[in-house]
Amino acid sequence: DGGITQSPKYLFRKEGQNVTLSCEQNLNHDAMYWYRQDPGQGLRLIYYSQIVNDFQKGDIAEGYSVSREKKESFPLTVTSAQKNPTAFYLCASSILGTSGNNEQFFGPGTRLTVL
Amino acid sequence: GNSVTQMEGPVTLSEEAFLTINCTYTATGYPSLFWYVQYPGEGLQLLLKATKADDKGSNKGFEATYRKETTSFHLEKGSVQVSDSAVYFCALSERGYGNKLVFGAGTILRVKS
Repeated sequence: DGGITQSPKYLFRKEGQNVTLSCEQNLNHDAMYWYRQDPGQGLRLIYYSQIVNDFQKGDIAEGYSVSREKKESFPLTVTSAQKNPTAFYLCASSILGTSGNNEQFFGPGTRLTVL
Repeated sequence: GNSVTQMEGPVTLSEEAFLTINCTYTATGYPSLFWYVQYPGEGLQLLLKATKADDKGSNKGFEATYRKETTSFHLEKGSVQVSDSAVYFCALSERGYGNKLVFGAGTILRVKS
């Protein structure tokens, strides 16, 4: 089955530690995205990538980093510089186009808790 | 910049009641509009979409019409079920910007039996 997988589902981290969230897709999509979801708020874009070895900052990139070494993978690192990292993180992918009507497919999410 | 505003929730309805969740947007140009649904502890799933003015998106009994004159994309369903309980997000896609989505804050729907 084609889809997006995120791991782990739950993640706990101590303050001051970096942590990497995994996102893999087998949909052959060019574009991939990372969002952060907080209670009572919509999704906010952290980073996105339209092609391998290239990515752009979203609205809340500070304290996060990404890489895109393979088309299928787009890992997100939450660094110690992120002041309030506890949140639900969602990865998505889509085909690439300029029409704006291409659906984004979402993974099941990773809930990160900083202890 | 572009933005999406949804009615605040939670919305609590009895089974078989009529549902409306309001969504209005601000955008330059002509965005595509989407409704996504999120069940507890899961990611988002596309519910329906519309790509141009007067288009009606529909799926699983849900409908929404792209109204350019009122910049709205209200979600409706004639008879809700308990299984429709979820969070609903309205979103717009910015053309020419790598398919980026701008989301509303989400509306929690609770359906009682």
